[in-house]
Amino acid sequence: AQSVSQHNHHVILSEAASLELGCNYSYGGTVNLFWYVQYPGQHLQLLLKYFSGDPLVKGIKGFEAEFIKSKFSFNLRKPSVQWSDTAEYFCAVGPGQLTFGSGTQLTVLP
Amino acid sequence: DAGVIQSPRHEVTEMGQEVTLRCKPISGHNSLFWYRQTMMRGLELLIYFNNNVPIDDSGMPEDRFSAKMPNASFSTLKIQPSEPRDSAVYFCASSPRTGGSSYNEQFFGPGTRLTVL
Repeated sequence: AQSVSQHNHHVILSEAASLELGCNYSYGGTVNLFWYVQYPGQHLQLLLKYFSGDPLVKGIKGFEAEFIKSKFSFNLRKPSVQWSDTAEYFCAVGPGQLTFGSGTQLTVLP
Repeated sequence: DAGVIQSPRHEVTEMGQEVTLRCKPISGHNSLFWYRQTMMRGLELLIYFNNNVPIDDSGMPEDRFSAKMPNASFSTLKIQPSEPRDSAVYFCASSPRTGGSSYNEQFFGPGTRLTVL
C-alpha cells in the first residue's frame, strides 16, 4: 500500500520569501506524484505532476517540484511567494487511486 | 469541457433527513471518486468507481452512507439518516483511467458544502 506524509502542517511566510514544502511517500513500485492546491473556499486544482523522465517538474504559477527517488521525496518549491499563494497544498501519490497527504496550510503575509 | 459538476453546491438539512449529493464526471473519464473534507480529518476518500463499478468503499464511514453510479455520466452519494457529524464538504473527482495505469490525474468538482443541523 502507498502512503504519503506532509510534515509541515502550517507554514507562514512573507511575500518574496522562498518556499519549500516537504512530501515523503512510501511505495515499492513506480510512483506517480502530484501536488494539488486548494485556495480558500475552492476545490483542489492540480499544480504539477510527475510520471517519469526529468525529475524536476515545473508546474503552474511558478511552482516546481523535484522527485528524489533515493529519499522518497517530492518537495514543492517556489523561489518567491506571493500573497495570492495563500492556500492549502496537498501532495498525492499513485498509481491507481491516489493517496493524499494531510495537507500544508500556507499563509503568505503581505 | 465543463469539468466535474456537482450539485447542490450548498445543502442545509436537519438531522434525520435524507441527503443526496450528485456528480457528473468529465466525459470520457472512467473513474470517479467521492471524498469528504473536514477540518478535523482532512481529505478522506469515501469510495471510488471504475467503469461504473464500485472498487473500494472501505472509506464509507457507516451504513448510513451509500453511493451509486448507474451510468458513466452520473453518480450519487446518499446519507440516510443524516447526522450533524456528517457536516463537511463533499468532493467528487474523476480520472481518465486508474487501476494501475500511470495516467491517473484526478480532476475535482467544486464540492457540496453540507450542513446538518
